[in-house]
Amino acid sequence: EVQLVESGGGLVQPGRSMKLSCAASGFTFNNYDMAWVCQAPKKGLEWVATISYDGSSTYYRDSVKGRFTISRDNAKSTLYLQMDSLRSEDTATYYCARRGFAYWGQGTLVTVSS
Amino acid sequence: DIQMTQSPSSLPASLGDRVTITCRASQDIGNYLRWFQQKPGKSPRLMIYGATNLAAGVPSRFSGSRSGSDYSLTINSLESEDMAIYYCLQHNEYPRTFGGGTKLELK
Repeated sequence: EVQLVESGGGLVQPGRSMKLSCAASGFTFNNYDMAWVCQAPKKGLEWVATISYDGSSTYYRDSVKGRFTISRDNAKSTLYLQMDSLRSEDTATYYCARRGFAYWGQGTLVTVSS
Repeated sequence: DIQMTQSPSSLPASLGDRVTITCRASQDIGNYLRWFQQKPGKSPRLMIYGATNLAAGVPSRFSGSRSGSDYSLTINSLESEDMAIYYCLQHNEYPRTFGGGTKLELK
């Protein structure tokens, strides 16, 4: 059974950093591109970033370029999102998803507030 | 960036109704269009891929279609469990973009 479990969310002050993790199981992690998608409270879904299966290629939405870094450790079957210079508008639930978006984690809430 | 204009934003409907939600792409995306269902407090669920293909485990009352740059999700004979927010997603190019969502609710 495919499982994606996010962790690392919480309350953080504006300008600070936070690193999210997504532990994958039930499939061959290093065969799949992976993505992060976020959802601000009571708002719609927004794609954040994607990383290729081998980590060689990364893609970001404009609003996070230069601040967020997507990465992966295939030996640990884990996806990461390093979020720096956080802003209040980054407050959202962050989901990891497997290529094709057929599988999603349960999400982890990041709240950026002083 | 490709804009996905989704309509309507809200759709009151009755059980047993046939409803249609539409996304219009601002550029050609071929059939790289997916539909998701999201219920309160839950992760999105893939319903349709490749614009017209039913995802695994999705009831046959759901269907997807395409007419030019317009992509539609149709639900035949609406059931109470279908009340949710529906989103389209284009994955033809980066950045991936979602439609704004359609809240399907009981009339």
